[in-house]
Amino acid sequence: DTAVSQTPKYLVTQMGNDKSIKCEQNLGHDTMYWYKQDSKKFLKIMFSYNNKELIINETVPNRFSPKSPDKAHLNLHINSLELGDSAVYFCASSPHGATNEKLFFGSGTQLSVL
Amino acid sequence: QKEVEQDPGPLSVPEGAIVSLNCTYSNSAFQYFMWYRQYSRKGPELLMYTYSSGNKEDGRFTAQVDKSSKYISLFIRDSQPSDSATYLCAMSTSGGYQKVTFGTGTKLQVIP
Repeated sequence: DTAVSQTPKYLVTQMGNDKSIKCEQNLGHDTMYWYKQDSKKFLKIMFSYNNKELIINETVPNRFSPKSPDKAHLNLHINSLELGDSAVYFCASSPHGATNEKLFFGSGTQLSVL
Repeated sequence: QKEVEQDPGPLSVPEGAIVSLNCTYSNSAFQYFMWYRQYSRKGPELLMYTYSSGNKEDGRFTAQVDKSSKYISLFIRDSQPSDSATYLCAMSTSGGYQKVTFGTGTKLQVIP
């Protein structure tokens, strides 16, 4: 009965491969996000979708492509993986994407690129 | 220079101690100030939320915001081993869609 769930929890892959991470929320929220947390615990927003529409796109390499088939799902596809992509990727959601709303995070996907 | 600066620690205290965690920031447009707690291998969860300057208390936790100094604090009274986690300060501006800026987090260990 997890509110924000993402799969897989761990992902180990070789440089150059393509991989996807999936996220689903059952909170009925309109807005979903992808955050990246590096080895120093720095958490930075990558993308945000509101009702399937991309509203925030930070300076992320275009090897990263988010997709939102509906407002309960937000997936992240990464092409041509590089060593520097190793990090923990968190999916999050909030009711309407307003600046004063609480973020609900998933448990993260730890990506290791070898 | 990062928009939000936070001492990464680790900070180690005995059980029952008062803990003070702090962040400084450079963007004067920040209006919403939050503290998230992150346990190992888990996602962050919201602990405290404050709008603009002032204090907010919730049980053993007190959040303070000093916008004139661009400085925010989280105090934990009577710290417990279950408080051992990484504490992330976070801030956002008002208006538009939410884009939260996080600090790098302070790792806290409370020793029984």
